[in-house]
Amino acid sequence: AQSVTQLGSHVSVSEGALVLLRCNYSSSVPPYLFWYVQYPNQGLQLLLKYTTGATLVKGINGFEAEFKKSETSFHLTKPSAHMSDAAEYFCAVSQSGNTPLVFGKGTRLSVIA
Amino acid sequence: DAGITQSPRHKVTETGTPVTLRCHQTENHRYMYWYRQDPGHGLRLIHYSYGVKDTDKGEVSDGYSVSRSKTEDFLLTLESATSSQTSVYFCAISRGGLAGGNEQFFGPGTRLTVL
Repeated sequence: AQSVTQLGSHVSVSEGALVLLRCNYSSSVPPYLFWYVQYPNQGLQLLLKYTTGATLVKGINGFEAEFKKSETSFHLTKPSAHMSDAAEYFCAVSQSGNTPLVFGKGTRLSVIA
Repeated sequence: DAGITQSPRHKVTETGTPVTLRCHQTENHRYMYWYRQDPGHGLRLIHYSYGVKDTDKGEVSDGYSVSRSKTEDFLLTLESATSSQTSVYFCAISRGGLAGGNEQFFGPGTRLTVL
């Protein structure tokens, strides 16, 4: 069975600092990996995804993530945090294009001025 | 934005009453999903559909049923609502298959309160 672990339910960074949100997954087959962002009182929006190919994936709003098979990780990073990045972030895994996503419990990012 | 609407957006009901939530899409995507979101639990899959009249259970399906009689609509029914079903419910859609990579697009959510 697949599972996703997001380390840290709440991460706080200063404006301009590096953002690092951690995600580890378990999957018996090569996974599809996703990061979603949720702003208050809204649905989830896709930030980026990894399916095959290049392991460093760039997404919207300056975020990127690197798929590391040996570490079963897909951590999300952004070089410089902005106040507008404050939101909840979810990592998700899927085993194929036809299986539902399994989500982590989410990490709430706060950005301090 | 993907064409997904959910209705109602907010609902307050009493324990024991039936409730139906509707998800409507204009994207003609094959797959549709219902999730619930609760603090500390992230999103948990309730049911999903992989075609008209084709559905399957998710992680937290007890107390819920679904129906999909046409591609664009996916209904979630709480036969007899309980306070533990107070939650925010999200619908999602995806094309599925290798080309789609199973990227899911989410609706705006329905906030359900069961008193």
